[in-house]
Amino acid sequence: AQRVTQPEKLLSVFKGAPVELKCNYSYSGSPELFWYVQYSRQRLQLLLRHISRESIKGFTADLNKGETSFHLKKPFAQEEDSAMYYCALSPRQGGSEKLVFGKGTKLTVNP
Amino acid sequence: EPEVTQTPSHQVTQMGQEVILRCVPISNHLYFYWYRQILGQKVEFLVSFYNNEISEKSEIFDDQFSVERPDGSNFTLKIRSTKLEDSAMYFCATRGQGIYEQYFGPGTRLTVT
Repeated sequence: AQRVTQPEKLLSVFKGAPVELKCNYSYSGSPELFWYVQYSRQRLQLLLRHISRESIKGFTADLNKGETSFHLKKPFAQEEDSAMYYCALSPRQGGSEKLVFGKGTKLTVNP
Repeated sequence: EPEVTQTPSHQVTQMGQEVILRCVPISNHLYFYWYRQILGQKVEFLVSFYNNEISEKSEIFDDQFSVERPDGSNFTLKIRSTKLEDSAMYFCATRGQGIYEQYFGPGTRLTVT
């Protein structure tokens, strides 16, 4: 079975502080990992995909297969980063394209 | 920028009634998905649909649920006889050929009373 765990329901930091949103996954194969973000009153949108290894809006995430983690990091948080962040896994096994989501972490960046 | 749209934004229905949730995908997108999120819980996969066929479904997607693309544009999710536990936010997502990203709609909030 596939499972994504985001241990922090809420995370609050001050502007300019580093932020790390934790994500751990459970899957026996080689999944594809994503971070989705939902800003207030907006739709879910893709933030990062592990395969692309890019930085979006200053955020990066590294897949650690040994620790089965895909933590999202940003060195200097901005107020506009306040949002709901969801880690998601796609099994890709047998052509599966479903996304398995974690419960999400609500990030608040205070001025 | 093209977006996935969903109607209605909020639907209230009585237990046992049928509901149809509608999604208009981004044009030229060929892969379609439904997810739901019960209040306070995870976003859960329901079904994926391609080439007029279900390609994958979860155990949540039982005989009460069905999907179709009746007119080549809308993609619908039908719940035949709603239960209280069907109350949730339902999200449609679509994807283009050769593109990995699933684009989500704004969701339909279904309330079953």
